[in-house]
Amino acid sequence: QKEVEQDPGPLSVPEGAIVSLNCTYSNSAFQYFMWYRQYSRKGPELLMYTYSSGNKEDGRFTAQVDKSSKYISLFIRDSQPSDSATYLCAMRMTRDNYGQNFVFGPGTRLSVLP
Amino acid sequence: NAGVTQTPKFQVLKTGQSMTLQCAQDMNHNSMYWYRQDPGMGLRLIYYSASEGTTDKGEVPNGYNVSRLNKREFSLRLESAAPSQTSVYFCASSAQGGSGNTIYFGEGSWLTVV
Repeated sequence: QKEVEQDPGPLSVPEGAIVSLNCTYSNSAFQYFMWYRQYSRKGPELLMYTYSSGNKEDGRFTAQVDKSSKYISLFIRDSQPSDSATYLCAMRMTRDNYGQNFVFGPGTRLSVLP
Repeated sequence: NAGVTQTPKFQVLKTGQSMTLQCAQDMNHNSMYWYRQDPGMGLRLIYYSASEGTTDKGEVPNGYNVSRLNKREFSLRLESAAPSQTSVYFCASSAQGGSGNTIYFGEGSWLTVV
């Protein structure tokens, strides 16, 4: 079993739809959770960052962490064609600055159709 | 803000040739990383440098070497390129403490080995 699982998609939705992107993980030591958006031929850019369990909202984006279920989600409201990208979840165990502690999901490719 | 800058953006190499990918960050981050991203494999850590003067192997270090030239710069060298090293390479950096729980990426370097 991989440490972080993510449905690779592709996921196609009509413009204006609510999108739900999800990751599951196996290591209960993960404390810090991130979502990255990666446009084609570009580097991943940080979208949302949350610590421990709970929700965080930023405009049309909501990140949700359920540590008891080892499950994180990213919701996109009123999706736009410009949201079409690959979304990567990432997580980290501790505040210690050791590079191997960042673990990434494989990414979900999202297409928002006009 | 430039963030993480890497060069070159595109490169074609012949098998056996050598080359160096350059990376610089202007965020005063302590830690820097080199990842490769391949279809279906996600992001895989090649090498990282937790702080100036230190480097460590990641998940896929074979065939690569790195140099942490100073706090800003971290280079990746392919001594004898192989077709299996055809990939997209991303340099990244992170801070210590609070914002160190997130990682910031460059725009990527597309390398083809023929």
